[in-house]
Amino acid sequence: ETGVTQTPRHLVMGMTNKKSLKCEQHLGHNAMYWYKQSAKKPLELMFVYNFKEQTENNSVPSRFSPECPNSSHLFLHLHTLQPEDSALYLCASSQGEGGYGYTFGSGTRLTVV
Amino acid sequence: AQSVAQPEDQVNVAEGNPLTVKCTYSVSGNPYLFWYVQYPNRGLQFLLKYITGDNLVKGSYGFEAEFNKSQTSFHLKKPSALVSDSALYFCADVYGNNRLAFGKGNQVVVIP
Repeated sequence: ETGVTQTPRHLVMGMTNKKSLKCEQHLGHNAMYWYKQSAKKPLELMFVYNFKEQTENNSVPSRFSPECPNSSHLFLHLHTLQPEDSALYLCASSQGEGGYGYTFGSGTRLTVV
Repeated sequence: AQSVAQPEDQVNVAEGNPLTVKCTYSVSGNPYLFWYVQYPNRGLQFLLKYITGDNLVKGSYGFEAEFNKSQTSFHLKKPSALVSDSALYFCADVYGNNRLAFGKGNQVVVIP
């Protein structure tokens, strides 16, 4: 257990569904991140939050909607996804934004059918 | 902008042999460099980092990495590979406002 917990571990959803991914960290970190990891592609940084404020959005389609109610919780709301959105979605946290390294959760394996 | 390169897609090594996973960086100034490992269907796990000090950094699971400024490299090494070391390995460095930039990853396959 890394201290960063992601739920659910696996998710299968249809293209018209709405679902949410949850990330929770118990490390006292102030920055949280969403990454997308697709097969044969580099890690893609999606969103960054620092002290609950979004500090980076890497041109992510609006069908992905992040929410950070406090420094310990991060959500990724999903709606009308496409099959190419199937991937492993990783959450990470850090103390400060990166110089101390990131702690990752185990990820949510998302399959869009 | 700083970046790291992992030139090999896959590294195959026999169990018990030395393992090396290569990483080079491009940066001006002093880099902050990291290695992470990812086992199947898991998140990335921190192995080690170089911030300053000794060029040889020791990390988890018997891994170490050597910072070489003249060659701008930070190769990951293990003297004797185990089958359980088979995983995806990522090099990363810090850039801009303290973001971590990851390399593409190297698949390591340790052959029994």
